[in-house]
Amino acid sequence: GAGVSQSPSNKVTEKGKDVELRCDPISGHTALYWYRQSLGQGLEFLIYFQGNSAPDKSGLPSDRFSAERTGGSVSTLTIQRTQQEDSAVYLCASIATGRQTQYFGPGTRLLVL
Amino acid sequence: DQQVKQNSPSLSVQEGRISILNCDYTNSMFDYFLWYKKYPAEGPTFLISISSIKDKNEDGRFTVFLNKSAKHLSLHIVPSQPGDSAVYFCAASAGNTGANSKLTFGKGITLSVRP
Repeated sequence: GAGVSQSPSNKVTEKGKDVELRCDPISGHTALYWYRQSLGQGLEFLIYFQGNSAPDKSGLPSDRFSAERTGGSVSTLTIQRTQQEDSAVYLCASIATGRQTQYFGPGTRLLVL
Repeated sequence: DQQVKQNSPSLSVQEGRISILNCDYTNSMFDYFLWYKKYPAEGPTFLISISSIKDKNEDGRFTVFLNKSAKHLSLHIVPSQPGDSAVYFCAASAGNTGANSKLTFGKGITLSVRP
């Protein structure tokens, strides 16, 4: 079966522009996470979706960041008015209900000039 | 405030020898620990995990040891192979009841296995 996929794989944008990153989780996985990895840092939790519950947005660094998950499947992470410090690899992971292992996509490498 | 710490940024070992990757944590609520391996330009892949009710878990060449009193875990790879060269992330979660929990990651250790 297909793993977690993310698009685009790379994105270069100008400061102040909005970007949208997409994640397609593993089919049937009910939970979806977004993380980001800045240069030299570990993975930083951003947001978590579980079924129809309200998402856990506690990791979003500012109100410029938002995410949605439509139909319990595909998720988009939107960054408005991008800043240079937003440059990072954005990773999506999904997990089956009741399990502990998160499966990651390849990430989107975002560079804000 | 780093709740999961991988204090050594890199490790180099000879092929065939043991690799020992260390991880420390500060949050006593963590009760499930995982190791992920990451190659360049790829997402992290799950390697091995351990619940806080155990002190050792083994899977082939990989063994994870957990010392709860010291809030320390380690990943042993033996024998090490050149294909093991990658970045290894330690991760922890709280609430091990089967419920999905967000992971807190360390900064990673770059392992290089010399042929």
